[in-house]
Amino acid sequence: AQKVTQAQTEISVVEKEDVTLDCVYETRDTTYYLFWYKQPPSGELVFLIRRNSFDEQNEISGRYSWNFQKSTSSFNFTITASQVVDSAVYFCALSEPFRRDQFYFGTGTSLTVIP
Amino acid sequence: NAGVTQTPKFQVLKTGQSMTLQCAQDMNHEYMSWYRQDPGMGLRLIHYSVGAGITDQGEVPNGYNVSRSTTEDFPLRLLSAAPSQTSVYFCASSYELNTEAFFGQGTRLTVV
Repeated sequence: AQKVTQAQTEISVVEKEDVTLDCVYETRDTTYYLFWYKQPPSGELVFLIRRNSFDEQNEISGRYSWNFQKSTSSFNFTITASQVVDSAVYFCALSEPFRRDQFYFGTGTSLTVIP
Repeated sequence: NAGVTQTPKFQVLKTGQSMTLQCAQDMNHEYMSWYRQDPGMGLRLIHYSVGAGITDQGEVPNGYNVSRSTTEDFPLRLLSAAPSQTSVYFCASSYELNTEAFFGQGTRLTVV
């Protein structure tokens, strides 16, 4: 079973629209960590955020915000006023503290922002 | 700081050939790992290492070998390349488990 599900394979929005990328995870641990990474067309993977399971406070960083809800096992990512430079594949990932094989990645959501 | 350096960036192999993908990091990270990225499948872990001299298998280890003789280097060896190994390969390192990973630029490998 997928431990991290990103049900949206591809999303297209027009510039300046808001967009939310969904991430649903599955774990039995009470302590765990959630991540978002961005992969722009150039191919590298860029770290965006790390959140531990005990911190349910939503986080905002400029146009980016993250909504962590343990009740629904979701860690959604919203881009406000999207820009063309936001076009990328976005990956959500889960890390469990007692597993040494590090991350479980979702399959990614490809976001295209149309000018 | 160079971060995580992978070489080569592109490679074409014939079926049955062997090669080594190089990965080096200069951040003194203990944890290093190799992933492959295939369309629609996200990133899948091939092998990982929690420190020099210690390696272990990930989700898709068949056809690949690794070693970790130093903290800095974590090469990935393809023993006998197969078309199914056509993929983009990423090396990553992190200071410790459950912290952010720093990724290399990736190696696009094609096996014909």
